[in-house]
Amino acid sequence: GENVEQHPSTLSVQEGDSAVIKCTYSDSASNYFPWYKQELGKRPQLIIDIRSNVGEKKDQRIAVTLNKTAKHFSLHITETQPEDSAVYFCAASPNYQLIWGAGTKLIIKP
Amino acid sequence: DSGVTQTPKHLITATGQRVTLRCSPRSGDLSVYWYQQSLDQGLQFLIQYYNGEERAKGNILERFSAQQFPDLHSELNLSSLELGDSALYFCASSVEQGLAGASFFGPGTRLTVL
Repeated sequence: GENVEQHPSTLSVQEGDSAVIKCTYSDSASNYFPWYKQELGKRPQLIIDIRSNVGEKKDQRIAVTLNKTAKHFSLHITETQPEDSAVYFCAASPNYQLIWGAGTKLIIKP
Repeated sequence: DSGVTQTPKHLITATGQRVTLRCSPRSGDLSVYWYQQSLDQGLQFLIQYYNGEERAKGNILERFSAQQFPDLHSELNLSSLELGDSALYFCASSVEQGLAGASFFGPGTRLTVL
């Protein structure tokens, strides 16, 4: 079955710098890759997603890139702000189910 | 607000007891997923229902069961509760018309077992 690995588990960046979180997946049939942000004690919220027929998608300060050959996808956050501090989860879907990464705790240092 | 509702918000109970968590999906969503999230942990997939039928099972204990009703709301039943069952329980819903799509999460139910 599908397996998703997410790195790093913790990422600390200076406010204003960029942050990159990477995920790899194992099942080449996976065709949908969402990213979720979870603030402390709150629900995970979808922030961006990409399908396998697209290589890159951007929404303001966040972007996702997908490399189907290498089976990895990444979340890029530019000009980080204090409100970006949260846990970020990636997921991959080979069918109707989401397979989740373990999460990355993003810390924005003032 | 995602449009997914969960009740209750908080639940405090004792070991050995049984509780029921309730979830109403977004209007039009046929699929409901249940997740368990322990403190500082990831999302553990428990079970999925689609239009009333069980579709996929994850790491769900035998003491736990779920169902989805004709009006598409879902209930997760947890019995013979143990201290380790204390966690945040989320449900999520998605449209799922043959192609994987976004899941939208409810606010969660925080279960504390004393």
